[in-house]
Amino acid sequence: DAGVIQSPRHEVTEMGQEVTLRCKPISGHDYLFWYRQTMMRGLELLIYFNNNVPIDDSGMPEDRFSAKMPNASFSTLKIQPSEPRDSAVYFCASSPLAGVTYNEQFFGPGTRLTVL
Amino acid sequence: GENVEQHPSTLSVQEGDSAVIKCTYSDSASNYFPWYKQELGKRPQLIIDIRSNVGEKKDQRIAVTLNKTAKHFSLHITETQPEDSAVYFCAASPRNYGQNFVFGPGTRLSVLP
Repeated sequence: DAGVIQSPRHEVTEMGQEVTLRCKPISGHDYLFWYRQTMMRGLELLIYFNNNVPIDDSGMPEDRFSAKMPNASFSTLKIQPSEPRDSAVYFCASSPLAGVTYNEQFFGPGTRLTVL
Repeated sequence: GENVEQHPSTLSVQEGDSAVIKCTYSDSASNYFPWYKQELGKRPQLIIDIRSNVGEKKDQRIAVTLNKTAKHFSLHITETQPEDSAVYFCAASPRNYGQNFVFGPGTRLSVLP
């Protein structure tokens, strides 16, 4: 398996533009998580899905952020309109249904977003 | 909700020495505690984890201890090497399933040659 795949790896955009980040989880994983990482706030959970259904979106900073998971192999995180304070690295992670041993989350390589 | 604190925020050790990073959590229902290592420019990766029914776990040079009563857990790295230099994150998960990890703020470990 190629692991969690994210695209794009880098995104530079101007304030006010729409940004869409994409994630393909590891096949067979039931959970998908979106995180944001900044120096000031560390790793923040934005939203997570279980079997394509959003379970907890309390970490989504405001209405400008939205996330979807139309099927088990694809998720998007959209920011509209983007603002400079949205600049961060956005990680997607996936996890199998907890089995006997552990609940490891596997992270993608991240998307570095810069909003000018 | 869960709150995870982590100390120190930065740590420098000489190669070969030990390093200890400590975390505290607030939710007594949390029962799974992973540690992730993030090298510069890379993704976080799990290095070790512990469940609430275990007090200590070791994997070669890395060990984690858990004190449920005090609600704190620690990462111990022995015989540190330059490749151990990274940011380490602890986390707590309040459930067995559908875990929504709450991460600590991270510790930047530098191993000096």
